[in-house]
Amino acid sequence: EPEVTQTPSHQVTQMGQEVILRCVPISNHLYFYWYRQILGQKVEFLVSFYNNEISEKSEIFDDQFSVERPDGSNFTLKIRSTKLEDSAMYFCASSGGKGGSPLHFGNGTRLTVT
Amino acid sequence: AQRVTQPEKLLSVFKGAPVELKCNYSYSGSPELFWYVQYSRQRLQLLLRHISRESIKGFTADLNKGETSFHLKKPFAQEEDSAMYYCALRVDTGFQKLVFGTGTRLLVSP
Repeated sequence: EPEVTQTPSHQVTQMGQEVILRCVPISNHLYFYWYRQILGQKVEFLVSFYNNEISEKSEIFDDQFSVERPDGSNFTLKIRSTKLEDSAMYFCASSGGKGGSPLHFGNGTRLTVT
Repeated sequence: AQRVTQPEKLLSVFKGAPVELKCNYSYSGSPELFWYVQYSRQRLQLLLRHISRESIKGFTADLNKGETSFHLKKPFAQEEDSAMYYCALRVDTGFQKLVFGTGTRLLVSP
């Protein structure tokens, strides 16, 4: 069964540094998402992406965040200048259709900002 | 505001016992509810969704709009059911913007 893959599984970075989290969605999917989970808290929506543009974003997704689909397979989340509070598990997800299609999640990238 | 509440952080039962994982939601629109499961060291997986009205791995969940609940039930728990369970609400934006609860860890002991 096809899966969403995320790399790296764990990223450690210093405060103020830029990080790029990478995701390869399922190949025929058209809708892409990033969610995050701070340790001990709930999974939170960050952004949805469709047709090469952001379709919706949450309050968390401020100017420090950006997403990109640089080629036909990758979907990236960039944090320009990391803060301690960005430490979290970041999940990429994709779906084949709009609201009715289930989300397929990746295994997540654990980001630790020191 | 949209909110999903899972009151129990941990639910511990013995194998063969009935299980009920509670989920309540707050949403002014037409709700679409899901249960996701995360087994140890694995990804979040969709377990079931209320519009399907299906039973997966023996689990069922009924949407009760009067009580704004979507509790997950299984009559006889198995050890392999041990996992983290998340209730989620799809906000009607047309995309899969999900609002998650904080999750309940189910531990089934032999």
